Amino acid sequence: AQKVTQAQTEISVVEKEDVTLDCVYETRDTTYYLFWYKQPPSGELVFLIRRNSFDEQNEISGRYSWNFQKSTSSFNFTITASQVVDSAVYFCALSEEDDKIIFGKGTRLHILP
Amino acid sequence: DVKVTQSSRYLVKRTGEKVFLECVQDMDHENMFWYRQDPGLGLRLIYFSYDVKMKEKGDIPEGYSVSREKKERFSLILESASTNQTSMYLCASSLIEAGDDPEDTQYFGPGTRLTVL
Repeated sequence: AQKVTQAQTEISVVEKEDVTLDCVYETRDTTYYLFWYKQPPSGELVFLIRRNSFDEQNEISGRYSWNFQKSTSSFNFTITASQVVDSAVYFCALSEEDDKIIFGKGTRLHILP
Repeated sequence: DVKVTQSSRYLVKRTGEKVFLECVQDMDHENMFWYRQDPGLGLRLIYFSYDVKMKEKGDIPEGYSVSREKKERFSLILESASTNQTSMYLCASSLIEAGDDPEDTQYFGPGTRLTVL
C-alpha cells in the first residue's frame, strides 16, 4: 500500500525565516517517484520537483531545497529566506510505476510579513 | 509549456442535476486524471484513463463516470449531483511512462469549484 504523510497541517513563520516541510512515505516498491507541488491561493497545482528512488542526491533550486533520505523514507522540503509569495498549500506525493500519484494531505504555509 | 484547461472555474448546480466537467490538454499526453480536493483530505483520485476509450477507477469512483472519446479530452460526469459532491475538481495529464526527465509528471488544470445546492 502507498501512503504519504505530511504531519504538519499548518505552519506559520515570519518572512525571511527558513522553514522545512516534512514528508514521510511508505511503499514496498524499489522503483518509485516522489514529488512536491505548490498550490497558491489561485488554486492551480504547480509542479516543483520529481525525484526517482535511485537518486538520493539533495536538490537545490534557488531558495528551495529537498532532502531525500531512503533510510527514513522522507523527502523534506526547505524554503530558505521565506517570502510572502511562498504562502500556499504544499503537497508531497508518491508514484509507483503505474503512473498514479498518491498525494499527502498537504501543509498550509503562511508567511507573515 | 503543457497546458491543461478546464471548462469552468466555478459551477453551481442543483441536487439531481447531471453535471459535466470538461478537461482538455494540448501536449498529446496519454494519461489523464480526475481528482477531487477537500479540506483536510488532500487530493483523491476519482478516475483515470491511459488511452482513448479506456478508463480505470481510482480511489473514490462512486457517483461519478468518465468519458474519453478523444485523446486530448477527458470528461467527468456526475449522473445525479448530490450535496456531498460539492468540492474542487482537478484534472491532470501526463505521459504514459515517466522517463528520465525530472519534469515527467502530472500537469494540472486550474480546477473547477463545484457547489451542489
